[in-house]
Amino acid sequence: QSALTQPPSVSGSPGQSVTISCTGTSGDVGSYNRVSWYQQPPGTAPKLMIYEVTNRPSGVPDRFSGSKSGNTASLTISGLQAEDEADYYCSSYTSSNTLLFGGGTKLTVL
Amino acid sequence: EVQLLESGGGLVQPGGSLRLSCAASGFTFSRFAISWVRQAPGKGLEWVSVSGSVGSGGSTTYYADSVKGRFTISRDNSKGTVYLQMNSLRAEDTAVYYCAKQFSSAWFYLDYWGQGTLVTVSS
Repeated sequence: QSALTQPPSVSGSPGQSVTISCTGTSGDVGSYNRVSWYQQPPGTAPKLMIYEVTNRPSGVPDRFSGSKSGNTASLTISGLQAEDEADYYCSSYTSSNTLLFGGGTKLTVL
Repeated sequence: EVQLLESGGGLVQPGGSLRLSCAASGFTFSRFAISWVRQAPGKGLEWVSVSGSVGSGGSTTYYADSVKGRFTISRDNSKGTVYLQMNSLRAEDTAVYYCAKQFSSAWFYLDYWGQGTLVTVSS
Protein backbone atom coordinates (compact mmCIF):
# COMPACT_ATOMS: atom_id res chain seq x y z
CA GLN A 1 0.00 0.00 0.00
CA SER A 2 1.49 3.32 -1.06
CA ALA A 3 2.08 6.12 1.42
CA LEU A 4 -0.24 9.08 1.54
CA THR A 5 1.03 11.93 -0.63
CA GLN A 6 2.47 15.03 1.04
CA PRO A 7 4.61 17.82 -0.41
CA PRO A 8 8.29 17.24 0.47
CA SER A 9 8.72 20.72 1.86
CA VAL A 10 6.94 23.96 2.75
CA SER A 11 8.22 27.18 4.20
CA GLY A 12 6.98 30.40 5.71
CA SER A 13 8.12 33.41 7.66
CA PRO A 14 7.36 33.93 11.35
CA GLY A 15 3.77 35.04 11.83
CA GLN A 16 2.61 33.69 8.48
CA SER A 17 0.38 30.67 7.84
CA VAL A 18 1.28 27.50 5.99
CA THR A 19 -0.84 24.56 4.88
CA ILE A 20 0.36 21.01 4.34
CA SER A 21 -1.76 18.72 2.21
CA CYS A 22 -2.15 14.96 2.51
CA THR A 23 -3.77 13.07 -0.34
CA GLY A 24 -5.01 9.53 -0.07
CA THR A 25 -7.68 7.40 -1.70
CA SER A 26 -11.26 6.30 -1.16
CA GLY A 27 -9.86 3.41 0.84
CA ASP A 28 -8.37 5.62 3.52
CA VAL A 29 -8.64 9.42 3.82
CA GLY A 30 -11.74 9.60 1.65
CA SER A 31 -13.75 7.06 3.62
CA TYR A 32 -12.86 7.76 7.22
CA ASN A 33 -12.54 10.77 9.49
CA ARG A 34 -9.61 8.98 11.08
CA VAL A 35 -6.84 11.27 9.98
CA SER A 36 -4.12 12.45 12.32
CA TRP A 37 -1.05 14.64 12.11
CA TYR A 38 2.32 14.27 13.84
CA GLN A 39 5.17 16.70 14.40
CA GLN A 40 8.72 15.35 14.51
CA PRO A 41 11.59 17.75 15.25
CA PRO A 42 15.01 16.38 14.25
CA GLY A 43 16.26 13.54 16.40
CA THR A 44 13.07 13.17 18.41
CA ALA A 45 10.03 10.90 18.46
CA PRO A 46 6.82 12.06 16.75
CA LYS A 47 4.19 14.02 18.67
CA LEU A 48 0.44 13.80 18.03
CA MET A 49 -0.84 17.23 16.96
CA ILE A 50 -4.25 16.53 15.40
CA TYR A 51 -6.60 13.54 15.55
CA GLU A 52 -9.95 12.72 13.97
CA VAL A 53 -9.23 15.31 11.23
CA THR A 54 -9.81 18.43 13.33
CA ASN A 55 -9.26 17.71 17.03
CA ARG A 56 -6.27 18.82 19.08
CA PRO A 57 -4.98 16.84 22.07
CA SER A 58 -4.58 18.78 25.27
CA GLY A 59 -1.56 21.05 25.17
CA VAL A 60 -1.39 21.54 21.41
CA PRO A 61 -1.69 25.24 20.52
CA ASP A 62 -4.79 26.32 18.64
CA ARG A 63 -2.48 27.68 15.91
CA PHE A 64 -2.64 24.13 14.60
CA SER A 65 -5.82 23.16 12.78
CA GLY A 66 -6.92 20.35 10.50
CA SER A 67 -9.48 19.86 7.79
CA LYS A 68 -10.50 17.41 5.10
CA SER A 69 -12.18 17.50 1.72
CA GLY A 70 -12.70 14.32 -0.23
CA ASN A 71 -9.49 12.32 -0.39
CA THR A 72 -7.31 15.20 0.84
CA ALA A 73 -6.65 16.27 4.40
CA SER A 74 -4.81 19.43 5.37
CA LEU A 75 -2.88 20.79 8.32
CA THR A 76 -2.71 24.54 8.73
CA ILE A 77 -0.28 26.25 11.06
CA SER A 78 -1.03 29.90 11.65
CA GLY A 79 1.18 32.47 13.34
CA LEU A 80 4.31 30.49 12.48
CA GLN A 81 6.97 30.32 15.14
CA ALA A 82 10.57 29.18 14.95
CA GLU A 83 9.76 26.23 17.20
CA ASP A 84 7.32 24.89 14.58
CA GLU A 85 10.21 23.92 12.33
CA ALA A 86 10.01 20.14 12.04
CA ASP A 87 8.88 17.27 9.84
CA TYR A 88 5.12 16.73 9.71
CA TYR A 89 3.38 13.47 8.91
CA CYS A 90 -0.25 12.72 8.24
CA SER A 91 -1.75 9.31 8.85
CA SER A 92 -5.03 7.60 8.13
CA TYR A 93 -6.82 4.45 9.14
CA THR A 94 -7.49 2.25 6.11
CA SER A 95 -10.17 -0.19 5.00
CA SER A 96 -7.61 -2.99 5.49
CA ASN A 97 -7.43 -2.33 9.25
CA THR A 98 -4.01 -0.79 8.89
CA LEU A 99 -2.50 2.64 9.50
CA LEU A 100 -0.97 4.51 6.61
CA PHE A 101 1.44 7.44 6.97
CA GLY A 102 2.28 10.15 4.52
CA GLY A 103 5.79 10.58 3.18
CA GLY A 104 6.39 13.58 5.43
CA THR A 105 6.77 17.32 4.88
CA LYS A 106 9.71 19.36 6.09
CA LEU A 107 8.58 22.74 7.40
CA THR A 108 11.18 25.48 7.31
CA VAL A 109 10.57 28.72 9.19
CA LEU A 110 12.47 31.38 7.28
CA GLU B 1 4.17 9.65 33.87
CA VAL B 2 3.68 7.53 30.77
CA GLN B 3 6.89 5.91 29.58
CA LEU B 4 7.65 3.51 26.76
CA LEU B 5 11.09 1.95 26.51
CA GLU B 6 12.16 -0.09 23.52
CA SER B 7 15.01 -2.57 23.58
CA GLY B 8 16.39 -5.44 21.58
CA GLY B 9 17.69 -3.64 18.52
CA GLY B 10 21.06 -4.34 16.97
CA LEU B 11 22.91 -5.63 13.95
CA VAL B 12 21.60 -8.80 12.30
CA GLN B 13 22.41 -10.56 9.04
CA PRO B 14 19.86 -10.83 6.23
CA GLY B 15 17.57 -13.77 6.87
CA GLY B 16 18.15 -13.54 10.60
CA SER B 17 15.78 -12.90 13.50
CA LEU B 18 15.46 -10.36 16.27
CA ARG B 19 12.95 -9.75 19.06
CA LEU B 20 12.15 -6.23 20.15
CA SER B 21 10.56 -5.37 23.49
CA CYS B 22 8.55 -2.35 24.55
CA ALA B 23 8.23 -1.91 28.31
CA ALA B 24 5.42 0.44 29.32
CA SER B 25 4.62 2.20 32.57
CA GLY B 26 2.48 5.02 33.92
CA PHE B 27 -0.88 3.82 32.60
CA THR B 28 -3.20 0.81 32.75
CA PHE B 29 -1.36 -1.19 30.13
CA SER B 30 -4.04 -3.78 29.33
CA ARG B 31 -6.56 -1.09 28.34
CA PHE B 32 -4.51 0.34 25.50
CA ALA B 33 -3.35 -0.89 22.13
CA ILE B 34 0.35 -0.60 21.36
CA SER B 35 1.72 -0.12 17.86
CA TRP B 36 5.15 -0.50 16.35
CA VAL B 37 6.17 2.18 13.86
CA ARG B 38 9.51 2.25 12.07
CA GLN B 39 11.59 4.90 10.36
CA ALA B 40 14.37 4.02 7.96
CA PRO B 41 17.40 6.33 8.12
CA GLY B 42 16.48 9.69 6.61
CA LYS B 43 13.04 8.42 5.59
CA GLY B 44 9.45 8.76 6.74
CA LEU B 45 7.34 6.87 9.23
CA GLU B 46 5.94 3.43 8.42
CA TRP B 47 3.38 1.71 10.62
CA VAL B 48 4.32 -1.93 11.24
CA SER B 49 1.83 -3.61 13.56
CA VAL B 50 -0.59 -3.19 16.44
CA SER B 51 -1.55 -5.32 19.43
CA GLY B 52 -5.05 -4.58 20.63
CA SER B 53 -6.20 -3.85 24.14
CA VAL B 54 -8.11 -6.23 26.38
CA GLY B 55 -11.28 -4.32 25.53
CA SER B 56 -10.78 -4.98 21.83
CA GLY B 57 -10.68 -8.71 22.38
CA GLY B 58 -7.16 -8.95 23.66
CA SER B 59 -5.75 -10.92 20.78
CA THR B 60 -6.50 -8.47 17.99
CA THR B 61 -3.42 -7.90 15.86
CA TYR B 62 -2.89 -6.21 12.53
CA TYR B 63 0.15 -5.96 10.29
CA ALA B 64 1.43 -3.91 7.40
CA ASP B 65 1.66 -5.89 4.17
CA SER B 66 5.43 -5.36 4.12
CA VAL B 67 5.91 -7.46 7.27
CA LYS B 68 2.95 -9.83 7.22
CA GLY B 69 4.07 -13.42 7.61
CA ARG B 70 7.52 -12.41 8.86
CA PHE B 71 6.81 -10.34 11.98
CA THR B 72 4.68 -11.34 14.97
CA ILE B 73 3.44 -8.96 17.64
CA SER B 74 2.47 -10.14 21.11
CA ARG B 75 1.92 -8.71 24.56
CA ASP B 76 2.26 -9.75 28.17
CA ASN B 77 -0.18 -7.66 30.18
CA SER B 78 1.26 -8.95 33.46
CA LYS B 79 4.63 -7.47 32.53
CA GLY B 80 3.35 -4.37 30.72
CA THR B 81 5.39 -5.34 27.70
CA VAL B 82 4.78 -5.71 23.97
CA TYR B 83 7.09 -7.75 21.77
CA LEU B 84 7.85 -7.74 18.06
CA GLN B 85 9.37 -10.97 16.79
CA MET B 86 11.05 -10.26 13.47
CA ASN B 87 12.04 -13.18 11.25
CA SER B 88 13.46 -13.43 7.72
CA LEU B 89 14.89 -9.95 8.06
CA ARG B 90 15.80 -7.98 4.95
CA ALA B 91 17.99 -4.97 4.33
CA GLU B 92 14.87 -2.87 3.87
CA ASP B 93 13.83 -3.62 7.45
CA THR B 94 16.72 -1.45 8.65
CA ALA B 95 15.14 1.33 10.70
CA VAL B 96 14.55 2.85 14.09
CA TYR B 97 11.62 0.99 15.59
CA TYR B 98 9.31 2.96 17.86
CA CYS B 99 6.53 1.62 20.03
CA ALA B 100 3.60 3.93 20.61
CA LYS B 101 0.51 3.94 22.80
CA GLN B 102 -3.08 4.27 21.67
CA PHE B 103 -4.71 7.66 22.29
CA SER B 104 -8.22 7.79 23.69
CA SER B 105 -10.44 4.99 22.35
CA ALA B 106 -8.85 4.57 18.94
CA TRP B 107 -5.77 2.42 18.27
CA PHE B 108 -4.91 4.40 15.13
CA TYR B 109 -4.04 7.56 17.07
CA LEU B 110 -0.71 7.40 18.89
CA ASP B 111 -0.10 9.80 21.75
CA TYR B 112 3.00 8.53 23.56
CA TRP B 113 6.07 7.22 21.79
CA GLY B 114 9.28 5.65 22.98
CA GLN B 115 12.68 6.91 21.86
CA GLY B 116 13.17 4.00 19.50
CA THR B 117 15.62 1.16 19.01
CA LEU B 118 17.79 0.82 15.91
CA VAL B 119 17.67 -2.37 13.87
CA THR B 120 20.35 -2.78 11.21
CA VAL B 121 20.11 -5.65 8.74
CA SER B 122 23.42 -6.08 6.98
CA SER B 123 26.01 -8.71 6.19
